[in-house]
Formats: sequence, structure tokens, C-alpha cells
Amino acid sequence: ILNVEQSPQSLHVQEGDSTNFTCSFPSSNFYALHWYRWETAKSPEALFVMTLNGDEKKKGRISATLNTKEGYSYLYIKGSQPEDSATYLCAFIIDSGGGADGLTFGKGTHLIIQP
Amino acid sequence: NAGVTQTPKFQVLKTGQSMTLQCAQDMNHEYMSWYRQDPGMGLRLIHYSVGAGITDQGEVPNGYNVSRSTTEDFPLRLLSAAPSQTSVYFCASSYGQVGMNTEAFFGQGTRLTVV
Repeated sequence: ILNVEQSPQSLHVQEGDSTNFTCSFPSSNFYALHWYRWETAKSPEALFVMTLNGDEKKKGRISATLNTKEGYSYLYIKGSQPEDSATYLCAFIIDSGGGADGLTFGKGTHLIIQP
Repeated sequence: NAGVTQTPKFQVLKTGQSMTLQCAQDMNHEYMSWYRQDPGMGLRLIHYSVGAGITDQGEVPNGYNVSRSTTEDFPLRLLSAAPSQTSVYFCASSYGQVGMNTEAFFGQGTRLTVV
């Protein structure tokens, strides 16, 4: 069973501050890394899909980086707003040789933005 | 465009009863999967399918059956419900037969309680 570790588990940030959190994953047989944003009472929505070492992706105030050699990805939020409050999930997928298998999710980082 | 539709949204079962959770997508996605979400755990993969007629087990397949007779539908069957299957179930789909180098689209979830 693969382990995807996310840290911290929860985070309180003042509105306007920037923040970041980490996703760690096994670096062997890497295929892709996903980031999802999950608001309470809704379903997870994709932020980024990253496949290449050194990838950097950006969507508005949110960006992510990927290091497949050392097995980590960072998610950054610049100038946090109350609507950024959510759980941020990362998910990892390996190529077992027969094609990619399903996503393995971390437990998430629960972000609360305080006005 | 409805995306991924799960039914029912809520269900209460008695131990030993059987039921089918329905999942349908209208995006012509080849890849579909079922996850369960429990407190303190990440989303865990139950079963997945890379196309019609092809299914495979994920991390926690015991107690669940699936089939994929059409591209659109991927039902999850509980043959004899147990209290340990109390959970929130999410269906997801994505484009591409190999799997998950493209984002997953999630249904709204089914909250199942087994008493």
C-alpha cells in the first residue's frame, strides 16, 4: 500500500497572508500527482495535474511545484481569502507496468482562513 | 452536461441487506472509479475500471462488487451490508483509457449508514 503524506493536517491563516503545504509521496514508478480542493458538503474539484519533474502550475493565486526525484509537491496560496477555506487533497498515481493504477489520496490539509 | 451523477445521496441499510450505488457519467470518460471516505482517512480506492468490460480492485475491495457493461455506468454493489461499510462513497471519472494523467471528476457522494 502506497502512502501519501500531507502536512500540516490543519492550518489557520489570517486573511491576506500567504501559505503553503506539502505532499510527500514515493518517488519510484511515478506517473502523476494531482491536487484537489474539497469544500465542505461538495465534491472534490481538481486544481492541478502534474506529471513532469520540475513542473510548476498556477491558477490565479494558487500554484504548485513538483519534485519527482525526492517525492514531494508544494501547494502555495498567495494572499489568502475566506473562499480559500477548504481541504486540499493531493493524490498520487504510479505506473505498475500494466498501465496507471488508481489514485492514492493523502488525508488532506484542512485550511481555515480567518478574517 | 450533468457530469458525474450518483444516486442515491443518502441511504440507511440494515446489516445483511444488499444494495447498489449508481454512478453515471455523460462525458464519454473511459476511466471510472469508486472511493470511500471515512473520518481521519483519505479517500480510499475500492474498485476501478479502465473501460467497458474491464474492472480491477483497488485498496479496499472486500465486500463490494462492480461491473462495467457500458462506458456511462459503473454501479457499486454491496451484497451483504456490514456496519464497517458505513461511509461516504464517491464515484469519479476521467478521460483516457490508461488513467489518471487528466483530472478526475467526482460525483456528489452517497452517504451510507449500515445499522
